[in-house]
Amino acid sequence: DSGVTQTPKHLITATGQRVTLRCSPRSGDLSVYWYQQSLDQGLQFLIHYYNGEERAKGNILERFSAQQFPDLHSELNLSSLELGDSALYFCASSGTRGNTGELFFGEGSRLTVL
Amino acid sequence: GNSVTQMEGPVTLSEEAFLTINCTYTATGYPSLFWYVQYPGEGLQLLLKATKADDKGSNKGFEATYRKETTSFHLEKGSVQVSDSAVYFCALRWIQGAQKLVFGQGTRLTINP
Repeated sequence: DSGVTQTPKHLITATGQRVTLRCSPRSGDLSVYWYQQSLDQGLQFLIHYYNGEERAKGNILERFSAQQFPDLHSELNLSSLELGDSALYFCASSGTRGNTGELFFGEGSRLTVL
Repeated sequence: GNSVTQMEGPVTLSEEAFLTINCTYTATGYPSLFWYVQYPGEGLQLLLKATKADDKGSNKGFEATYRKETTSFHLEKGSVQVSDSAVYFCALRWIQGAQKLVFGQGTRLTINP
């Protein structure tokens, strides 16, 4: 158990819809990262938040947005969903105490767009 | 840009065989290097890491050595088991600045009894 919690584990929805994925980082971790894993694209970095502020953006579509709340949990919002958005979305966290570079991953949220 | 290139899979071996999964990287400076493993239906777990040149990371019988001269971090195991079947990801990261992990494409490993 990494200590990172993601909900929901599975989500099935239709094209054009909007979903929200939630992530609770390990206790005390200030950084949250979102990654997308699809069959043909491997693991793609989407966005990084640190203590509520956006720190880095990767290949995140304009239809996607994220935020980190004061209690440090994070949400990834996916809108106007397309078939190609079907993927496994991972959240990871890391801390500053004894930081050795490791990211701790949740089990992922599997999104299926029909 | 900074990137990681992994040996393409899938890789299928028999139990007790020797395993090598190649990983090379392109980066400025000296990043930390990682191997993550993803077992079926699970998230990624750190397998091992190395933070500077010539460091050797090891865990569960797996080893990888940070080779600056060849920009490589190949994963090896002397005798694989069926339970090692998983997807293996090589990754790099800087502790300072942009702290994201950059992953390779992943290598699916299947071990047959």
